[in-house]
Amino acid sequence: AQSVSQHNHHVILSEAASLELGCNYSYGGTVNLFWYVQYPGQHLQLLLKYFSGDPLVKGIKGFEAEFIKSKFSFNLRKPSVQWSDTAEYFCAVTGNNDMRFGAGTRLTVKP
Amino acid sequence: GAGVSQTPSNKVTEKGKYVELRCDPISGHTALYWYRQSLGQGPEFLIYFQGTGAADDSGLPNDRFFAVRPEGSVSTLKIQRTERGDSAVYLCASSFTGAGTEAFFGQGTRLTVV
Repeated sequence: AQSVSQHNHHVILSEAASLELGCNYSYGGTVNLFWYVQYPGQHLQLLLKYFSGDPLVKGIKGFEAEFIKSKFSFNLRKPSVQWSDTAEYFCAVTGNNDMRFGAGTRLTVKP
Repeated sequence: GAGVSQTPSNKVTEKGKYVELRCDPISGHTALYWYRQSLGQGPEFLIYFQGTGAADDSGLPNDRFFAVRPEGSVSTLKIQRTERGDSAVYLCASSFTGAGTEAFFGQGTRLTVV
């Protein structure tokens, strides 16, 4: 089965700083990749997804992610974070069947 | 329905009791997932249904856990002889066809075993 690693457990940034959250996966076949966000007290919501084509995908709220197949990575980026981006971010991968999640990265943006 | 619905939203039970957690997926979604999320952790995969059948149940931690989806829509996660370590938020998600399509999550059921 596939597995997902997120390198950063907790990231603290000031508003307007740039963000990059790491995600690496382990799977031998064709994968589909996702980033989900969980705002405090809310359910998981999709930020963006990669299925095929352009490896640079753009999602909601100014987020983007780049799929680098040779590195088995799908890092999430945002040029300038806002206080409202404070949340937990999860990388996920699907292969044949199930969807597996990383442990998550907690982002705290200081106003 | 408009989204994935999970009931109850909170469940407190005594150690050793049996519990059932219900998930009502988005209408027309053939794939359904159950996850368990503990504080500070990512969702831990439990089981994946494609229609009525469990396509992958490799995440169920032991034989106290069982899930069904008899008509290919509503699913029930059943936990026998609950233990304090079962306390977590149990998440359900559904997607249109399964692997490779976006999964939509419910709000979860917070299970507390005392």
